[in-house]
Amino acid sequence: DIQMTQSPSSVSASVGDTVTITCRASQGIGTWLAWYQQKPGKAPKLLIYATSSLQTGVPSRFSGSRSGTDFTLTISSLQPEDFATYYCQQTHSGPTFGGGTKVEIK
Amino acid sequence: EVQLVESGGGLVQPGRSLRLSCAASGFTLDDYAMHWVRQAPGRGLEWVSTISWRSDTIAYADSVKGRFTISRDNAKNSLYLQMNSLRPEDTALYYCGKDKSPKGYFDYGVDVWGQGTTVTVSS
Repeated sequence: DIQMTQSPSSVSASVGDTVTITCRASQGIGTWLAWYQQKPGKAPKLLIYATSSLQTGVPSRFSGSRSGTDFTLTISSLQPEDFATYYCQQTHSGPTFGGGTKVEIK
Repeated sequence: EVQLVESGGGLVQPGRSLRLSCAASGFTLDDYAMHWVRQAPGRGLEWVSTISWRSDTIAYADSVKGRFTISRDNAKNSLYLQMNSLRPEDTALYYCGKDKSPKGYFDYGVDVWGQGTTVTVSS
């Protein structure tokens, strides 16, 4: 099974900051990676698919990139509505999720 | 409006069974793989199962393999999850989700989610 190691587990940031979240796959998954945002009491929301493609309606301050088996979600100019928990998911096989990163207000 | 509505959750004793349903509307269910994802209280997301658009490919997480069965009835626009031999560790909010890609198989993730149905396994 492919394991996804997500870091950090939490981060404190201020409005306007740039936040970076990383997921490392235990083996090669190509570009088969998605990112989700989840707010308390709500279902997850797809932000990015295929490593770097922005889902329709998602602001351009969200971006994704890859270096080998390391994947990064970057949130530029953090907005109040961005405080949430973020998950990566490898969609290569047996789609496993990362452990999540909670973005909190500093 | 594209929508998924789960039902069938509840309180059940260990070892018993439960069947979850997911009603789809606003899109043609036939064209999409569908997924079940769960979230234990205060925990992260866990993929449970996926069924392809033609039902010819089905996958399960190791934690539920042999106990859970995913199925779909495209004529009824519905997805199901039959859960047998339930354990306390199956306690979670269960979401159904629509695959993003028509005729794909979880390649691009889940772009539509239901609100979830809660399953509690306890004596």
